[in-house]
Amino acid sequence: EVQLVESGGGLAQPGGSLRLSCAASGFTFSSYEMNWVRQAPGKGLEWVSYISSGGTTIYYADSVKGRFTISRDNAKNSLYLQMNSLRAEDTALYYCARAGIPAARWAFDIWGQGTMVTVSS
Amino acid sequence: QSVLTQPPSASGTPGQRVTISCSGSNSNVGSNYVYWFQQLPGTAPKLLIYSNNQRPSGVPDRFSGSKSGTSASLAISGLRSEDEADYYCAAWDDSLSGVLFGGGTKLTVL
Repeated sequence: EVQLVESGGGLAQPGGSLRLSCAASGFTFSSYEMNWVRQAPGKGLEWVSYISSGGTTIYYADSVKGRFTISRDNAKNSLYLQMNSLRAEDTALYYCARAGIPAARWAFDIWGQGTMVTVSS
Repeated sequence: QSVLTQPPSASGTPGQRVTISCSGSNSNVGSNYVYWFQQLPGTAPKLLIYSNNQRPSGVPDRFSGSKSGTSASLAISGLRSEDEADYYCAAWDDSLSGVLFGGGTKLTVL
């Protein structure tokens, strides 16, 4: 079964750090581009970051640039999001999402269940 | 405030056809593909439409997408109660070098 499972969420203080992980299974992880998308409680979707299949191309939303770092380990079938200098506005459910359709880079066809990040003192 | 503008709500009765609009600009909708996602209550989003008007396998042909200039639309025909969900458009923005989502449209089936 094709699956993405996020972990690593929790409560962090403003200015603190968290590292999210996304474990992939059921497909050849190294062949796919990956993304993080977040959703604040009761709000809409916000794209956070993208990483190419080989990890050489990376994009970030302006709201997280300079604070968050996306990475992947293809040998471990895992995607990561290092979150530093956390702010209250980073509180959200964080999804990892696969871009699974060739020539449709933002066709997020597989999503995880999400991991909740709460930033509060 | 999202740069891709969607109506916050839409509604229809079973069997009806409803459309949801997504308005952007030359740097996003006007020059890049539009994607549509459906999010049922309490679940992760699901890809409905990619590359403006393509349906992934498994998505019923009741769902269709179109784009003209800097606006795009999602149409749902033969509305069903299970279509009640939030719908989001998305597109790459050349100026921001990032993906933009619309603010979302909550569809109610009356």
